[in-house]
Amino acid sequence: EDQVTQSPEALRLQEGESSSLNCSYTVSGLRGLFWYRQDPGKGPEFLFTLYSAGEEKEKERLKATLTKKESFLHITAPKPEDSATYLCAVQARISTGNQFYFGTGTSLTVIP
Amino acid sequence: DAGVTQSPTHLIKTRGQHVTLRCSPISGHKSVSWYQQVLGQGPQFIFQYYEKEERGRGNFPDRFSARQFPNYSSELNVNALLLGDSALYLCASSQSPGSPEAFFGQGTRLTVV
Repeated sequence: EDQVTQSPEALRLQEGESSSLNCSYTVSGLRGLFWYRQDPGKGPEFLFTLYSAGEEKEKERLKATLTKKESFLHITAPKPEDSATYLCAVQARISTGNQFYFGTGTSLTVIP
Repeated sequence: DAGVTQSPTHLIKTRGQHVTLRCSPISGHKSVSWYQQVLGQGPQFIFQYYEKEERGRGNFPDRFSARQFPNYSSELNVNALLLGDSALYLCASSQSPGSPEAFFGQGTRLTVV
């Protein structure tokens, strides 16, 4: 069964304390893996797309990496404004068309 | 540039009624996808449309339907509403189904009472 699992569910960090969020997936026909940030009551904000194992993308304090079975979102020296829920999603191609699977997210709180 | 716009922002309906939600994609984007997000969960994929054709469908009952218009805007229709349909409905637009970036609107908060 195709699925996406994110861990941990919640993470509290002190400002400046680096850490990583994990997204593991079991999807056949992977077309891409996406990372989004979501603030309460708002739609997800696009961060990165990764297509193949070994690929890495960076944006400010965030760095996303991809292996054959999982992706990591590394947060370096986080600031309070990085507090949000981070969502991972995969796009798969199946016989009936495109499918998108989201994880349940990691809620990140950065304490000043 | 306007982002993805959804209307209405909030909606309250009674069980058994139907609802129509609307989405206007970013100018130049031809693909629209719909998602349902229940509080505390990740978005669940409902439909993807590209050039007015359905390109993907999630595991939702036939009460859910959608269409895309020549100007690439889209409607999501839900019939015979259930309490469990209460959720944030999100629309995402991209240039094509395989685009590396997809942009979400702010969503429509649907409450079924």
